[in-house]
Amino acid sequence: KNEVEQSPQNLTAQEGEFITINCSYSVGISALHWLQQHPGGGIVSLFMLSSGKKKHGRLIATINIQEKHSSLHITASHPRDSAVYICAAPSYNTDKLIFGTGTRLQVFP
Amino acid sequence: EAQVTQNPRYLITVTGKKLTVTCSQNMNHEYMSWYRQDPGLGLRQIYYSMNVEVTDKGDVPEGYKVSRKEKRNFPLILESPSPNQTSLYFCASSLGEAGELFFGEGSRLTVL
Repeated sequence: KNEVEQSPQNLTAQEGEFITINCSYSVGISALHWLQQHPGGGIVSLFMLSSGKKKHGRLIATINIQEKHSSLHITASHPRDSAVYICAAPSYNTDKLIFGTGTRLQVFP
Repeated sequence: EAQVTQNPRYLITVTGKKLTVTCSQNMNHEYMSWYRQDPGLGLRQIYYSMNVEVTDKGDVPEGYKVSRKEKRNFPLILESPSPNQTSLYFCASSLGEAGELFFGEGSRLTVL
């Protein structure tokens, strides 16, 4: 069992739909990252959060420390949101960064 | 412009021929790390460094070496590359281990 698990692995949506990607972790962490990787492209940091909720444009990230769970929401999804979304958490004890396997999102017009 | 620069971006080499992938950041970040990304396995950490002269193994360090002689540079060294090191490699930096991550553009390495 991975220490950081994401769901779903693959997600397709119609333009305009509300999207949720989930991330659960079993290790103690100091923060959680949400990353975005476009096909053939580099990796961009979307959010880094240790509590509560952050919003940037149409993207919202939440984290519940007690439940060891984080969600990434995309409102009014657009084809340009098509990418792989990855959550990652630094282990509290070792400073190693542990990654989820990613969620491949495709948004169709 | 704040950035993490990796070189080379693409490299095809042969088994056993030593190579170095350079990584440089201009943000005065203390934390730097290397990852490899393989289909079906996602991103895995190879080595990381909390500061100059401080390096630690990640989850897949075998076959790799690193050094951190200066704050801005964190080269990844493959002393004797093998085909199972064919992968997409990313370097990243942040202010601390829990800070926002800045990634390089990636280096696609093929070992024949």
